[in-house]
Amino acid sequence: QLQLQESGPGLVKPSETLSLTCNVSGDSITAGSYSWGWIRQPPGKGLEWIGHIYYNVNTYYRASLKGRVSISVDASRNHFSLNLGHVTAADTGLYFCARVGYGAGSRLFDYWGPGTLVTVSS
Amino acid sequence: EIVLTQSPGILSLSPGERATLSCRASQNVNIRYLAWYQHQPGRAPRLLFYGASSRATGVPDRFLGSGSGTDFTLTISRLEPEDFAVYYCQHYGTSVFTFGGGTKVEIK
Repeated sequence: QLQLQESGPGLVKPSETLSLTCNVSGDSITAGSYSWGWIRQPPGKGLEWIGHIYYNVNTYYRASLKGRVSISVDASRNHFSLNLGHVTAADTGLYFCARVGYGAGSRLFDYWGPGTLVTVSS
Repeated sequence: EIVLTQSPGILSLSPGERATLSCRASQNVNIRYLAWYQHQPGRAPRLLFYGASSRATGVPDRFLGSGSGTDFTLTISRLEPEDFAVYYCQHYGTSVFTFGGGTKVEIK
């Protein structure tokens, strides 16, 4: 059974970089040509796609975050990472990592981590 | 960019009742690219449907996904205690994922 688990600091200072890692267990991160993504949930709001990475080559990011966000894969450690720079209080929220699977010819998030809370505050 | 509007924002129902959740897209979407998720507080979100009406593995048949064009519906025929959660629709297109704002199904 594939499992994902987010890890990283729970508190980040304004203007600094938020860095999270998603550890993948139960299968190789390079198996099946899947993509790997990040989603967040601001307090009291809904889910918001951040971005995803395909095969450590192609990355796709939310338009409003471009220039601040990067996602990368470390196949040797079977994990992928999120870096979000110049954070503000608006970046506070619950951050989820997920696998981008396939269904009906489309892409969807079929496996998720439980989420990790990140607070941006001085 | 497609915008997904979910209604109602909150649905207050009792166990055993029927829940009908709406997801409206700002323009016609291919049903293949419409998915639904369930999110219970403190847990990982769970994929319910893809292709608008195809159940994901392990989803009970009291859940039904339907719709086309701009209007999509998630129906729960008889609410069980574990069904009280927040539900999101999601669209995928040109490498961009969009979520609706969510509908919270709460115990009345």
